[in-house]
Amino acid sequence: DGGITQSPKYLFRKEGQNVTLSCEQNLNHDAMYWYRQDPGQGLRLIYYSQIVNDFQKGDIAEGYSVSREKKESFPLTVTSAQKNPTAFYLCASSLDGVDTEAFFGQGTRLTVV
Amino acid sequence: EDQVTQSPEALRLQEGESSSLNCSYTVSGLRGLFWYRQDPGKGPEFLFTLYSAGEEKEKERLKATLTKKESFLHITAPKPEDSATYLCAVQPISNFGNEKLTFGTGTRLTIIP
Repeated sequence: DGGITQSPKYLFRKEGQNVTLSCEQNLNHDAMYWYRQDPGQGLRLIYYSQIVNDFQKGDIAEGYSVSREKKESFPLTVTSAQKNPTAFYLCASSLDGVDTEAFFGQGTRLTVV
Repeated sequence: EDQVTQSPEALRLQEGESSSLNCSYTVSGLRGLFWYRQDPGKGPEFLFTLYSAGEEKEKERLKATLTKKESFLHITAPKPEDSATYLCAVQPISNFGNEKLTFGTGTRLTIIP
């Protein structure tokens, strides 16, 4: 079955540590996205990529980094510079990033302890 | 700046009691309006895309409609399994190739048996 796989589902991090969230898709989609979801707020865009080896900052990119070395993979690193990293992180993909809907993974809940 | 406001924040209905969820939006030019369903702890699931005022789409007990200022998600004779948070998002027309989605905060729908 085609879809988007995020791992792990739950992640705990100590303050001051970097952590990488995995996102893999087998839908052959060009565009991929990372969103952050906090209680009472809409999904906020962290980074997006419309093509391999290219990505753009979203609305809240500070303290995060990404890479897009392969079409099917778009990992997100939450660095120690991110002041409030505890959140639910969602990865999504769409066929071309313009006229088509986005499909989401099941999310990773990151908790800083 | 694009804005999306969803109301009500939460809605409790008896099984079989029909109602509507509202999504008001402000965008300079609308490329598409999207409805998603999100279950607790899961990623959003795509429901509908609407592109122009007057358009309607249906799926089982759900019907989405669109005007120039708002969209409604009508739910007819809901069942307990329709309980979820429903998210609305708008995608603007952009000359820069970065038509990013702006999400509302969602309506949490509870259907009581």
